[in-house]
This record gives sequence, structure tokens and C-alpha cells, in this order.
Amino acid sequence: GAVVSQHPSRVICKSGTSVKIECRSLDFQATTMFWYRQFPKKSLMLMATSNEGSKATYEQGVEKDKFLINHASLTLSTLTVTSAHPEDSSFYICSARDYRGDPTNTEAFFGQGTRLTVV
Amino acid sequence: AQSVTQLDSQVPVFEEAPVELRCNYSSSVSVYLFWYVQYPNQGLQLLLKYLSGSTLVESINGFEAEFNKSQTSFHLRKPSVHISDTAEYFCAVTPSNDYKLSFGAGTTVTVRA
Repeated sequence: GAVVSQHPSRVICKSGTSVKIECRSLDFQATTMFWYRQFPKKSLMLMATSNEGSKATYEQGVEKDKFLINHASLTLSTLTVTSAHPEDSSFYICSARDYRGDPTNTEAFFGQGTRLTVV
Repeated sequence: AQSVTQLDSQVPVFEEAPVELRCNYSSSVSVYLFWYVQYPNQGLQLLLKYLSGSTLVESINGFEAEFNKSQTSFHLRKPSVHISDTAEYFCAVTPSNDYKLSFGAGTTVTVRA
């Protein structure tokens, strides 16, 4: 299957600083990428849908100014957690759809996740 | 909107015993169904999916799931588990005309010797 690489896998930052997480599709073009947040012992919560060349679509309750998403190319989306606070500590996962020109291709490939700890 | 309910949050099982993870969904439109597996501190890996056709789908590592439209279920089964099957399992659904995955809360499978 297609490969999605997420970096870094772990990051610790000080409260008030910003952290950038990268999500790359390594062997396919991803017009759409998704960012999820996973709390301990909980399911994945979709934060936003990232579309190449346009603004991200955020889910209800997700702060746009807090979680900045940029999808500047067909293989890269970034999530920046701005002015991070301890409550932002979580596991963040990205995924990408490999359409390969086929809109019915529904498989989403996931990155390895990023464990963010804000101290 | 779609929702997914995984009825068991934790399933302990002995090695070589069978296991069933239950998943029910609700949707007003037709859907595609997925099972994902997550190992500790890793992302999700697709285990199997149902898009159309045969209601029984199988994975390469011995898991199978059956789509039951009348019961709106997509239960996952494996006749004989291994220690390496210890992981978190997520059932997910997406409308067939969309691409947003909605996940269940997950089921933790712990396989003991």
C-alpha cells in the first residue's frame, strides 16, 4: 500500500511555543489529507480536512487559529499547534487518500502519529 | 451523519482462541466499512474493508468481517489469535459519496499465552 510519513514521531515543547508536524505522502499524490487527534483510550477525532492549494476545512469545535494547517503541495501537509498549552498534549495522526485518479478509491493511509507533550 | 458503536472496549483472550469484535453503525446513506488496527504509539493500518459485493471480507492475516445490512453491523472475527494480535482495533465508516471516516471508540484486544 501507499506510504504516509509523519514527522516528528515525538516532540516535547514548552508551553507558549509553537510546534509543526509534517505529513508526507511518499509514493502518491494526496489531494486531500486529514488530521486527527487521539486522546488516551479514546477514538480518533477528526480535526480538519486539508485540501491542496486551498484552505483547510475544520470540524466544529476545532480552533482554526490554534491549529494551523497548510497543504502547499500534493505530497505535504503541515499542522502547526500555535501557542501550545499542556491541554494540547495528545497523539496527532494524519491520513491521506490515494485517489490515483479514481474518485471511488476510498482507502486512507495513515501516518505513524506524533506524540506531542507540552510542559 | 454517521456513527459507529463498538460494543466492547476491552477483550482479553487466550492465544489460539477465537475472538469477535462487535461493530454497529448508523447512517441514513449507503456506507463503506473498515476495520483498522493500531499498535502502541503507531498510526492505523487498514485490516480490511467492505465496499460492495460479497458481504464477507477477509484480511491476509486471518481476520474476517461480515457486513450485515439489516443489522447494520460489521463484526470482526478471527478463529485463532496470536500474541501479536494484541492491539487496538477500530471500526470506521464513511459515506459512499464522501471520504470522511467516522471511527468507533476502539476495542483493546489483549492476547495472553
